[in-house]
Amino acid sequence: EPEVTQTPSHQVTQMGQEVILRCVPISNHLYFYWYRQILGQKVEFLVSFYNNEISEKSEIFDDQFSVERPDGSNFTLKIRSTKLEDSAMYFCASKTRNGGAGEQFFGPGTRLTVL
Amino acid sequence: AQKVTQAQTEISVVEKEDVTLDCVYETRDTTYYLFWYKQPPSGELVFLIRRNSFDEQNEISGRYSWNFQKSTSSFNFTITASQVVDSAVYFCALKGSGNTGKLIFGQGTTLQVKP
Repeated sequence: EPEVTQTPSHQVTQMGQEVILRCVPISNHLYFYWYRQILGQKVEFLVSFYNNEISEKSEIFDDQFSVERPDGSNFTLKIRSTKLEDSAMYFCASKTRNGGAGEQFFGPGTRLTVL
Repeated sequence: AQKVTQAQTEISVVEKEDVTLDCVYETRDTTYYLFWYKQPPSGELVFLIRRNSFDEQNEISGRYSWNFQKSTSSFNFTITASQVVDSAVYFCALKGSGNTGKLIFGQGTTLQVKP
């Protein structure tokens, strides 16, 4: 069964460093998302991406964040200068259809620890 | 404003008991979609169900059932004859306004099923 994959599973970095979190969405999906979950808290939307551009972003997704789909398969989230409060689980998700139709399939997550 | 409230932070039951997880939502949209996801201790998000606002029929899938009531803006989830493997965090989510398909999650309910 097709699945969303994410690498690495755990990333440890020093404050101020840049990190890139990688995702491979399901191959025929067209809509891509990043969410984050601070330990013990709810899952929060960061950004949605369609047709090679951001379609919506939350207030969390500030200038330190960027997303890219550099080729036909990868979908990346970059944090330019990490802060302690960026420590969280980051989930990538994808879906086939627009709007509410079709469920989002989530990857296993990348746990980011900023020291 | 759109919001999902899961008032139960933690629930503990003994195996074979039935348990209901509550979800109350707020939205001004006339068409909307609701979801339940399971997050086991391993951390991934597992899709359980999607329900659109036009369909108020209750749904049953094995030991799982969902009760959607527009009149009370609730979308509750019942597990019948709970098992230890049901232990997880369960999130209710609402598709946000607009066409990007982003999900707005509740705080989650941690279910512990004891043998």
